Amino acid sequence: AQSVTQLDSHVSVSEGTPVLLRCNYSSSYSPSLFWYVQHPNKGLQLLLKYTSAATLVKGINGFEAEFKKSETSFHLTKPSAHMSDAAEYFCVVSLGSGGFKTIFGAGTRLFVKA
Amino acid sequence: SAVISQKPSRDICQRGTSLTIQCQVDSQVTMMFWYRQQPGQSLTLIATANQGSEATYESGFVIDKFPISRPNLTFSTLTVSNMSPEDSSIYLCSVLLTGQLTYEQYFGPGTRLTVT
Repeated sequence: AQSVTQLDSHVSVSEGTPVLLRCNYSSSYSPSLFWYVQHPNKGLQLLLKYTSAATLVKGINGFEAEFKKSETSFHLTKPSAHMSDAAEYFCVVSLGSGGFKTIFGAGTRLFVKA
Repeated sequence: SAVISQKPSRDICQRGTSLTIQCQVDSQVTMMFWYRQQPGQSLTLIATANQGSEATYESGFVIDKFPISRPNLTFSTLTVSNMSPEDSSIYLCSVLLTGQLTYEQYFGPGTRLTVT
């Protein structure tokens, strides 16, 4: 069975400090992994994706994520948080083998303090 | 990339009525999806709507409650039937774009439904 677990429902950081949003996945196949961001009353925006190429993936707005197969993790990081990063973040696993299926994590709400 | 629009963007409806949500994509796509996002929750897949075939519903969702149409490769509708307050959610349309070695999923802005 495939699943994705976001380990923190809420994360709070101060502006200018690093951000770490944790995600673990379970998959019987080689998954594709994504991080999406959802700002209040806005649509979902793709931050970055891993699709079996380089394990360190760089996305938009300074975010990056590293795929670690041994740890079944795909944590999202950013060296320095900005106030505009405050939003809901979703880790997503999708499977393209034998049909397409996407599973969303529960989400992590990021708060950024001034 | 794909640009997706949804109508209406929001609505307030009375219980027992039905609402049809439209999804328009700016390019032809085979795979379209409908998701529900309940207040404070993550996204849950309702159904996959491929053109030329019946929609495939996920566990917990049935065609009588959420009938879907997919008349062509750029358009789909989702109807929320016989609504109750528990149906108050954001409903999102999504499409899958496939390339030679990769694929990307795009989401519409969502339709915020409140049932009173």
